[in-house]
Amino acid sequence: AQSVTQLGSHVSVSEGALVLLRCNYSSSVPPYLFWYVQYPNQGLQLLLKYTSAATLVKGINGFEAEFKKSETSFHLTKPSAHMSDAAEYFCAVREEDNFNKFYFGSGTKLNVKP
Amino acid sequence: NAGVTQTPKFQVLKTGQSMTLQCAQDMNHNSMYWYRQDPGMGLRLIYYSASEGTTDKGEVPNGYNVSRLNKREFSLRLESAAPSQTSVYFCASSDSGLAGPYEQYFGPGTRLTVT
Repeated sequence: AQSVTQLGSHVSVSEGALVLLRCNYSSSVPPYLFWYVQYPNQGLQLLLKYTSAATLVKGINGFEAEFKKSETSFHLTKPSAHMSDAAEYFCAVREEDNFNKFYFGSGTKLNVKP
Repeated sequence: NAGVTQTPKFQVLKTGQSMTLQCAQDMNHNSMYWYRQDPGMGLRLIYYSASEGTTDKGEVPNGYNVSRLNKREFSLRLESAAPSQTSVYFCASSDSGLAGPYEQYFGPGTRLTVT
């Protein structure tokens, strides 16, 4: 089965600083990868997804992620954090041979300090 | 267009009681899912349904049953609730097919406490 590892359960940045949330996956072939955001007491919303069309993927709210096969990584970045970015972020991978199975990382809570 | 809706939003059960969590989607998606979310563990798949009339186990199916009532609705049943089932439950839906990847759309969640 696939797996996803998110390093750092909590990340704290100052407003205006770079946001970097880490995600590493295990897969023998280029997978389908996703980043979701969860605001308090809400469901998950899609930020962006990797489809193999381009290694740098742009998402909503100024977020982007770069797929690096050599590092089996799909880290999420944003050049300048806003207070409204405070949320929990989840990386997910779709199963190789079952497109209905997704595996989620344990999540990273982003705190943005004024 | 309501997306994915879940009822109830909150529930408290005593050990051994049963209940059904309801989920409906209005996006004409083939696939539907039930996840549980526990602190520090991300989301874990309980059951999924690839199409009307089919259901399959996910990572953590023990203690749960599901019914895909029609294309819109996918319910999750706890026959005899246990404290270990205290969690936040999310329903999701997506298009499906090898041409993906199709992202999942999530409901607002049901917070269940079993005492």
